[in-house]
Amino acid sequence: EDKVVQSPLSLVVHEGDTVTLNCSYEVTNFRSLLWYKQEKKAPTFLFMLTSSGIEKKSGRLSSILDKKELFSILNITATQTGDSAVYLCAVDSRGSTLGRLYFGRGTQLTVWP
Amino acid sequence: IAGITQAPTSQILAAGRRMTLRCTQDMRHNAMYWYRQDLGLGLRLIHYSNTAGTTGKGEVPDGYSVSRANTDDFPLTLASAVPSQTSVYFCASSAYSGTGSNEQFFGPGTRLTVL
Repeated sequence: EDKVVQSPLSLVVHEGDTVTLNCSYEVTNFRSLLWYKQEKKAPTFLFMLTSSGIEKKSGRLSSILDKKELFSILNITATQTGDSAVYLCAVDSRGSTLGRLYFGRGTQLTVWP
Repeated sequence: IAGITQAPTSQILAAGRRMTLRCTQDMRHNAMYWYRQDLGLGLRLIHYSNTAGTTGKGEVPDGYSVSRANTDDFPLTLASAVPSQTSVYFCASSAYSGTGSNEQFFGPGTRLTVL
């Protein structure tokens, strides 16, 4: 079964809208949660979260982790067409496979002008 | 070279043929990984290597093999390709060595089609 669940699977918005992407997880030996952005090719790193309640920010993007409820959200404010991408959530688990990242299926975000 | 390179960029392969996907990193990272990405299924781990000389199986290892003769290179071999191996393959690396961050850096990917 999926250990990392992202929602929604796809989202279409207009420029200027604010979006919230969700990631819930269930893994053993949780270490950290990572967000990646994937446009045409390779995923590129956005954030790594290790502690609950501490918001990470980069420009219009921000993310926060709740280790008690086992989820994270990624917020994008004032969206632009360049934000169109697949956003991947991954959890770093120090379980049976050392250093394994468990990826969710991603959220496809489309921003229309 | 800067970061991770993969070759080839894309390949069309006849079923039954042997194929090696190449991956090289110049960041001196200990750990390297191979993933496949299929529509609707996200990234799935095929094989990994925590350090040169060691490898391990991931979530979907059947039909694939890897080797890690040195720190920089981590080739993925399909011994006898089948159509279900049609996918986009990503190589990744991280500085992870048992402690610290496991932030993974990804190569540009290889799009493989098996007919």
